[in-house]
Amino acid sequence: DQQVKQNSPSLSVQEGRISILNCDYTNSMFDYFLWYKKYPAEGPTFLISISSIKDKNEDGRFTVFLNKSAKHLSLHIVPSQPGDSAVYFCAASNTGTASKLTFGTGTRLQVTL
Amino acid sequence: EPEVTQTPSHQVTQMGQEVILRCVPISNHLYFYWYRQILGQKVEFLVSFYNNEISEKSEIFDDQFSVERPDGSNFTLKIRSTKLEDSAMYFCASSERTGVSPLHFGNGTRLTVT
Repeated sequence: DQQVKQNSPSLSVQEGRISILNCDYTNSMFDYFLWYKKYPAEGPTFLISISSIKDKNEDGRFTVFLNKSAKHLSLHIVPSQPGDSAVYFCAASNTGTASKLTFGTGTRLQVTL
Repeated sequence: EPEVTQTPSHQVTQMGQEVILRCVPISNHLYFYWYRQILGQKVEFLVSFYNNEISEKSEIFDDQFSVERPDGSNFTLKIRSTKLEDSAMYFCASSERTGVSPLHFGNGTRLTVT
């Protein structure tokens, strides 16, 4: 079951630069998308979400872009900080049926000094 | 900031034993969930719970699993007869409502079945 895919298992970015994390989905019924950050030994922490009626949502340093025709979303972090180093999960749901989230496999972001 | 709390943080049990994982969701949330993550794999949905009943469950959530909200604050996941393949991180989550509402996760219980 590969309905949500994060094709880059890892990403390294210098402090102060932009981090771009990507996510693709195959289920056209998904209409709500979320990004979570996860540190070791902790649960996923909600970062930002976007509904399919929008193509962009911004919250501070975090911006999520949604391209419905390409079934692609991305998370931009500007500027990247060392504390951003974590595993980032993309998740999606079909709000018409349930809030069940389908997660991607995650991308490990390393922000270097 | 309110948070979801889970206990214990780590549980070791022998194959065939029953385990109960406990969660206290955020107090004004109405929807509750269990997810799990086997080492090296995706976070997977197990079950959602609303108004004292299961609203959806995955194929993983078979007859060995059950959930309960025994006292209006705790939300529990019981595995009746654990198997080696049940070893995983189990995450509890809650949300204010269904639909366009993010899930907030606890820090998980690491279950090790020997």
